[in-house]
Amino acid sequence: DGGITQSPKYLFRKEGQNVTLSCEQNLNHDAMYWYRQDPGQGLRLIYYSQIVNDFQKGDIAEGYSVSREKKESFPLTVTSAQKNPTAFYLCASSYRAVNTGELFFGEGSRLTVL
Amino acid sequence: EDKVVQSPLSLVVHEGDTVTLNCSYEVTNFRSLLWYKQEKKAPTFLFMLTSSGIEKKSGRLSSILDKKELFSILNITATQTGDSAIYLCAVGLRTSYGKLTFGQGTILTVHP
Repeated sequence: DGGITQSPKYLFRKEGQNVTLSCEQNLNHDAMYWYRQDPGQGLRLIYYSQIVNDFQKGDIAEGYSVSREKKESFPLTVTSAQKNPTAFYLCASSYRAVNTGELFFGEGSRLTVL
Repeated sequence: EDKVVQSPLSLVVHEGDTVTLNCSYEVTNFRSLLWYKQEKKAPTFLFMLTSSGIEKKSGRLSSILDKKELFSILNITATQTGDSAIYLCAVGLRTSYGKLTFGQGTILTVHP
């Protein structure tokens, strides 16, 4: 079955620790995205990548880093510089060339920083 | 700054009621408006609208776009408890493939 797999689903970390969230897709999509969801604020774009070895900052990139070494994978690192990292993180992908605008989402990772 | 605003932020109804969710936007280079339903975790795609006045329909759900007044509505008729979810509106721009700007979402609760 094609889809997007995020792991872990739940993650607890102490303040000051970096954490990496995994996102893998087997939809053969060119573009991948990371969004953050907080209550009452909808989804906000952290980083996106249209092609392997290239990525751009979204609206709230500070304190986060990404890599795109393979088409299928787009991991997100939440660094200790992110001031308020507790949130629900959603990874998504889309066809770049078709540009329909429709995103396919993973099930999300909920990060809690203690 | 691009902005997408949804209203109401939350809504509680009873089964069988009809609801209308609103989405207004202020963006440059508008390309499309999309609606998603988020029941627990992963948002799922409902509709994409690009032209004014053309209604998109899927079962009890329908949506329409007004590009002159810069808004869209999502209607759900004969609501069921399974319609309880967060409904997200998002806008895509001509200048960026796939990158969407989302509204805050409307939390819909349908009681039996």
